[in-house]
Amino acid sequence: AQTVTQSQPEMSVQEAETVTLSCTYDTSESDYYLFWYKQPPSRQMILVIRQEAYKQQNATENRFSVNFQKAAKSFSLKISDSQLGDAAMYFCAYRSARGTGNQFYFGTGTSLTVIP
Amino acid sequence: ETGVTQSPTHLIKTRGQQVTLRCSSQSGHNTVSWYQQALGQGPQFIFQYYREEENGRGNFPPRFSGLQFPNYSSELNVNALELDDSALYLCASSPGLAEGYNEQFFGPGTRLTVL
Repeated sequence: AQTVTQSQPEMSVQEAETVTLSCTYDTSESDYYLFWYKQPPSRQMILVIRQEAYKQQNATENRFSVNFQKAAKSFSLKISDSQLGDAAMYFCAYRSARGTGNQFYFGTGTSLTVIP
Repeated sequence: ETGVTQSPTHLIKTRGQQVTLRCSSQSGHNTVSWYQQALGQGPQFIFQYYREEENGRGNFPPRFSGLQFPNYSSELNVNALELDDSALYLCASSPGLAEGYNEQFFGPGTRLTVL
């Protein structure tokens, strides 16, 4: 089974600064999808950014970008110009491109605190 | 467009009881997945329903069962509740199975406490 590891249980960043959250995964597959989800205290998970493994170009969504290193099986999230509203739990997730199911495998999460 | 909704928000049960959690998928979505999120953990996949049929199951015992209805809403049933079943139960819907790029749209969850 695929495993997703987030080694940073907690991170903090000053408002307007940049922070990077780490994620590694283990898979024998060559084609898959990777996601970062945000879960604020209100609990509803929200998609932040996604990456297709066959694309070499790193995904970017406004202040959010990823560093996807396929050989190293690493998928880190960079948040630039951090805002108070970025404070939340961040989950890295993996989904296989094979088959018809779309089960997501999640890491244990990183709790991000933004300091005013 | 209505998002994913779940009911109830909170629930308290005692060990050995049975519980039913409900989920209404986002409009146009025919696939519903259920996840269990224990405190301080990431969501763990329970099972998925596609067009009223179970389409994949995680490492959960048979006392976790589900249904999907013709309108694609779904229920999660848990029998013989155990203390370790205390968790946030998340429902997620997506527009289909074939496109792996699809994100899953999550509901706000049901917090289940088993005493």
